[in-house]
This record gives sequence, structure tokens and C-alpha cells, in this order.
Amino acid sequence: NAGVTQTPKFQVLKTGQSMTLQCAQDMNHEYMSWYRQDPGMGLRLIHYSVGAGITDQGEVPNGYNVSRSTTEDFPLRLLSAAPSQTSVYFCASSRDFLYGYTFGSGTRLTVV
Amino acid sequence: AQTVTQSQPEMSVQEAETVTLSCTYDTSESDYYLFWYKQPPSRQMILVIRQEAYKQQNATENRFSVNFQKAAKSFSLKISDSQLGDAAMYFCASVGSTSYGKLTFGQGTILTVHP
Repeated sequence: NAGVTQTPKFQVLKTGQSMTLQCAQDMNHEYMSWYRQDPGMGLRLIHYSVGAGITDQGEVPNGYNVSRSTTEDFPLRLLSAAPSQTSVYFCASSRDFLYGYTFGSGTRLTVV
Repeated sequence: AQTVTQSQPEMSVQEAETVTLSCTYDTSESDYYLFWYKQPPSRQMILVIRQEAYKQQNATENRFSVNFQKAAKSFSLKISDSQLGDAAMYFCASVGSTSYGKLTFGQGTILTVHP
């Protein structure tokens, strides 16, 4: 099993550009989430999904879109990148969230 | 709603000694679960230990143990016989049983281990 795979690992964007962060898991997990990590703020939830076709907003959803057409994939779209979106992004999945999440290796995004 | 607070931005310990990282939380749920995650310089998030709130017994995983004080809403992590490989950022996190998997994290504590 590959676990949770995030691509790319690093990305530099110009303000106003759009892009999609990819996340895929091969563990047949129903629960998937996107977090952003900023210094001194821990990890904050952007969007989450409880199964294919079901998504909802987390704590900091503005500027981001998600969809979940399959159990395996949960892409995160930045519609119009802003410098405030410079961060490290983590995707995570879980079969039963009461037992914790498995995280991807993260994407470091810089918006200039 | 849940909040998690880690009041120690940085901690340090000598190799082979014991260190305790603090965490307090607040939740409106009666059934919830608490976690400690480790993030080494590789950036990978690793689950260290998990505690079920309805269990009074403190969780233990090898050199890692917790001190769970439910009434005080405190969930500290004790690392015994510290090793150089324990150096990392540690995050405390909580999730309620009815929160649809929305994990809430604290701000993190950077642990330095001195040889």
C-alpha cells in the first residue's frame, strides 16, 4: 500500500494563478481531509469529506474548493492564489477517525 | 466546537531523561478522543498515542505515555528515556465522536533533545 500520496511536494505560484493539489489514498478510507500548517497556528482544517460525493467546509475554507468523485481521490483547488495561501498543505485519510488519521507527506506552496 | 491549546512553544531535554509536554482542550461533546502526533524534520505526521475519553486508564505506547485528567481537560505527553530521534514538533489533537472526523490541533511544541 502506498498510503496517502500528495503531489506535488513543492510548488511556487504567482498571485492570481490557479492550481490543484492532488491527494490519493489506496486504503479504501471513507474520511479524508485537507489541512494547512502555518507557524504558531498548528494545523487548520480547510475541507473534509465523509465519503464519495460528500464534502463540507472546515475552519478556513475561503479560496479553496474540493470535490470527491471517488473514494480514492480528494483534490484541493486554489481558485486564485494569494500570498496568504503560502503554507504547507496536508491531506489525511481515515477508515475510522476515532482511531486517528494517516497523513500524506505534505505540499509546500509559496505564492509570490 | 473544540479547542486545543499547547502553551509550550519549545521544550528541551537531555538524552535519556524524561520530558512532559502539556496540552489542554475544551469540547462540547461528551464522547471524544485525544491524540498526540509527532512531526520530525521530514515533515511527515506520525501518530504517537491515542486516548479514549471514556477510559480512565492512561494510554501507553512503549516510552510514550499520557496523563489524562478529564475534569481538568488536560492531556499531557510524557516521553521517558528520551532519544535523539524524539526531536520533533509534537501536536496535540482532539476529535468528537459526532464531529464527522474534524480533527482539531493545538499550536505545537518543538522538542529538542540534547546529547
